[in-house]
Amino acid sequence: QKEVEQNSGPLSVPEGAIASLNCTYSDRGSQSFFWYRQYSGKSPELIMFIYSNGDKEDGRFTAQLNKASQYVSLLIRDSQPSDSATYLCAVENSGGSNYKLTFGKGTLLTVNP
Amino acid sequence: SAVISQKPSRDICQRGTSLTIQCQVDSQVTMMFWYRQQPGQSLTLIATANQGSEATYESGFVIDKFPISRPNLTFSTLTVSNMSPEDSSIYLCSVEGSRGFQETQYFGPGTRLLVL
Repeated sequence: QKEVEQNSGPLSVPEGAIASLNCTYSDRGSQSFFWYRQYSGKSPELIMFIYSNGDKEDGRFTAQLNKASQYVSLLIRDSQPSDSATYLCAVENSGGSNYKLTFGKGTLLTVNP
Repeated sequence: SAVISQKPSRDICQRGTSLTIQCQVDSQVTMMFWYRQQPGQSLTLIATANQGSEATYESGFVIDKFPISRPNLTFSTLTVSNMSPEDSSIYLCSVEGSRGFQETQYFGPGTRLLVL
């Protein structure tokens, strides 16, 4: 059973702070990792992906990957109230003929003005 | 990314009935996926639907309960059969896509189902 674990939160940070979201995964063969944002009542939207160890930056978002520790994180700098949402970590399954993602349960982030 | 629409956006159904959910994409895609997201939970993959072949179901999901059609490269349906209140959930379709050279998935807006 391939698993993706996230702290469910809620994670509460003040506006302008750095929000740190963490995710661990069990499938050591996984190569690609994704962060989706889901606003309440909406569907998930892709915000970042990462496949190499280290950091990847995109605007205020930085994804970090450590395959040896099977750990991926998302940092949101200068957090805004509009960042308040559930953040889903997804891991591409290794093996098999179909491309599939396994999702974590998500971390609810609240950014307080 | 592809533009994905789903119908209906929401519905309230009686137990024992069936509901068919439609997913339409504005471009041709090989792989389409159907997920369920129960209240407060993450996304659980129901099945993968490739055009021209039978859908591949995940553990815990069977064709009799969730029959899927994939008649062409832009359309798919998921039927939730003989519904019970436990089927109350959000049902999402997604399609494969690429961001740069990275393969990923993009989601439709979802169908919110309440079974009484």
